[in-house]
Amino acid sequence: DQQVKQNSPSLSVQEGRISILNCDYTNSMFDYFLWYKKYPAEGPTFLISISSIKDKNEDGRFTVFLNKSAKHLSLHIVPSQPGDSAVYFCAASTSETSYDKVIFGPGTSLSVIP
Amino acid sequence: GAGVSQSPRYKVTKRGQDVALRCDPISGHVSLYWYRQALGQGPEFLTYFNYEAQQDKSGLPNDRFSAERPEGSISTLTIQRTEQRDSAMYRCASSRGGAASSGNTIYFGEGSWLTVV
Repeated sequence: DQQVKQNSPSLSVQEGRISILNCDYTNSMFDYFLWYKKYPAEGPTFLISISSIKDKNEDGRFTVFLNKSAKHLSLHIVPSQPGDSAVYFCAASTSETSYDKVIFGPGTSLSVIP
Repeated sequence: GAGVSQSPRYKVTKRGQDVALRCDPISGHVSLYWYRQALGQGPEFLTYFNYEAQQDKSGLPNDRFSAERPEGSISTLTIQRTEQRDSAMYRCASSRGGAASSGNTIYFGEGSWLTVV
């Protein structure tokens, strides 16, 4: 039973355009959401996060939107750059635990075409 | 060290053998996590240490899997009597401590690829 879903295994976007990566979750206890980025042969690295008390968080070219009623979040990258090509993992956690028992989605592989 | 270091990077073992995977977290990080990642999947939580105390092992698949962190720094994940279904990337991660919602960030190592033949 996957609690965090990323239904698009891959996505291709032209350089300069917007990339939109989607994520759905099932556990209503999740109250903190994260996106991780992973290059080949490296471990995932933290990219951006959002608390459930917000519906948007922006950091440079990256913006995460949260729709709690739909249990849906998305990561927008604009403008997309070739260096953004990587696997993006959506992840979620609950403040019920005092540590990062983070649940990850299966990932979406983004290719930004020059 | 500068990052989370794991060894070996690649391990091929015969079914039935025991394997030990090592993790050296970022210096000063009190929290240490083990995750397992199958091909095409995201990391799956296995276990968590706060200093030397194993506070959550709910993700360990069965009793063939164990982990320790005796001095609150380096950790070892041991898989006994390996089976082919154990083949995966095993990732260690560390953090300063606390929950993600408090602004804590976990840092992942490059992982140890285990192949059981």
